[in-house]
Amino acid sequence: KQEVTQIPAALSVPEGENLVLNCSFTDSAIYNLQWFRQDPGKGLTSLLLIQSSQREQTSGRLNASLDKSSGRSTLYIAASQPGDSATYLCAPSGANNLFFGTGTRLTVIP
Amino acid sequence: DGGITQSPKYLFRKEGQNVTLSCEQNLNHDAMYWYRQDPGQGLRLIYYSQIVNDFQKGDIAEGYSVSREKKESFPLTVTSAQKNPTAFYLCASSQIGNTEAFFGQGTRLTVV
Repeated sequence: KQEVTQIPAALSVPEGENLVLNCSFTDSAIYNLQWFRQDPGKGLTSLLLIQSSQREQTSGRLNASLDKSSGRSTLYIAASQPGDSATYLCAPSGANNLFFGTGTRLTVIP
Repeated sequence: DGGITQSPKYLFRKEGQNVTLSCEQNLNHDAMYWYRQDPGQGLRLIYYSQIVNDFQKGDIAEGYSVSREKKESFPLTVTSAQKNPTAFYLCASSQIGNTEAFFGQGTRLTVV
């Protein structure tokens, strides 16, 4: 069964800092990997989708990389802002499911 | 606006009651999913459906039931057989294949 681990569990940084969130998964036979953000009490907002054949994907200040063979993905956030404060979840996909860890809770301090 | 609508946002259930959570999407997606989120745990799959009138159990289907009579709708019933139903429930949809999944805003269910 796919196990997903995200490190660190929580992160607090000053505004403007660049940061990296890490995700590891145990089964490399994935279809794709999505990164989401979740605000307290809200649903998940899709940030980036990386297909299994891709190495990275970029959207604005966000860049996600995928190393399927080693079971790792990273989310790079450039020039962090207080509005980036949220929980970030990575989700590798199987045939009919997304698998989730417990996420990284990010706080950006003004 | 295109998206996924879950209702109600908050729901309270008495012991022994069945309750139904609504999920509607206007994205023309074939696949729909129900997940449960508990504090300190990752989201877990309850049920999914890839086509009308067909659905499959996920990892934690016991105590839940679903129907898929229309492409746009995938309601979840939490039955009295679910012993610990208090949780945050999330509905999602996607096209079949390696495509992006989109989520609703969730329903928080509390047993009173």
